[in-house]
Amino acid sequence: NAGVTQTPKFQVLKTGQSMTLQCAQDMNHEYMSWYRQDPGMGLRLIHYSVGAGITDQGEVPNGYNVSRSTTEDFPLRLLSAAPSQTSVYFCASSYSRQSYNEQFFGPGTRLTVL
Amino acid sequence: AQTVTQSQPEMSVQEAETVTLSCTYDTSESDYYLFWYKQPPSRQMILVIRQEAYKQQNATENRFSVNFQKAAKSFSLKISDSQLGDAAMYFCAYIGGGSEKLVFGKGTKLTVNP
Repeated sequence: NAGVTQTPKFQVLKTGQSMTLQCAQDMNHEYMSWYRQDPGMGLRLIHYSVGAGITDQGEVPNGYNVSRSTTEDFPLRLLSAAPSQTSVYFCASSYSRQSYNEQFFGPGTRLTVL
Repeated sequence: AQTVTQSQPEMSVQEAETVTLSCTYDTSESDYYLFWYKQPPSRQMILVIRQEAYKQQNATENRFSVNFQKAAKSFSLKISDSQLGDAAMYFCAYIGGGSEKLVFGKGTKLTVNP
């Protein structure tokens, strides 16, 4: 099992550009989520999905879109990048939506918006 | 909204000694789960230990143990026989029973001195 994979590992964008951060898991996990990590802020939930075709907003959803067409993939889209979106982004998955389940994290994507 | 507070931005410990990282949380729920995650310089998020609120017994995983004080809403992590590989950011996290949203504290950076 590759676990949770994220691409790219690093990305530099200019303000206004769009891009998609890819996330995939091969563990047949039902639940997937995206977090951003900023210095001194911990991890904050952006969007999450409890299954294919179902997504919902987390704590900081503005400026980001998601979709979940398959169980394996959960891409995060930035439609018009802003410097405030400079951050490290983590994708995570867990077996089910049950709260006690461990979330497995990908290696992260460091995004810089100039 | 639930909040998680880690009051120690940085801590240090001598190799082979014991250190305790603090975490408090605010919730009105009776059913919830608490986690400690470790993030080494590699950036990978790793689950260290998990505690179910309905269990009175404190969780233990090898050199890692917690002191769970439900009435005080406190969830501290004790690391015994500290090793150089324990140096990392440590995040406390909370999720309410039935919720899909994991809430993180801002983290504590642990340095282990040889």
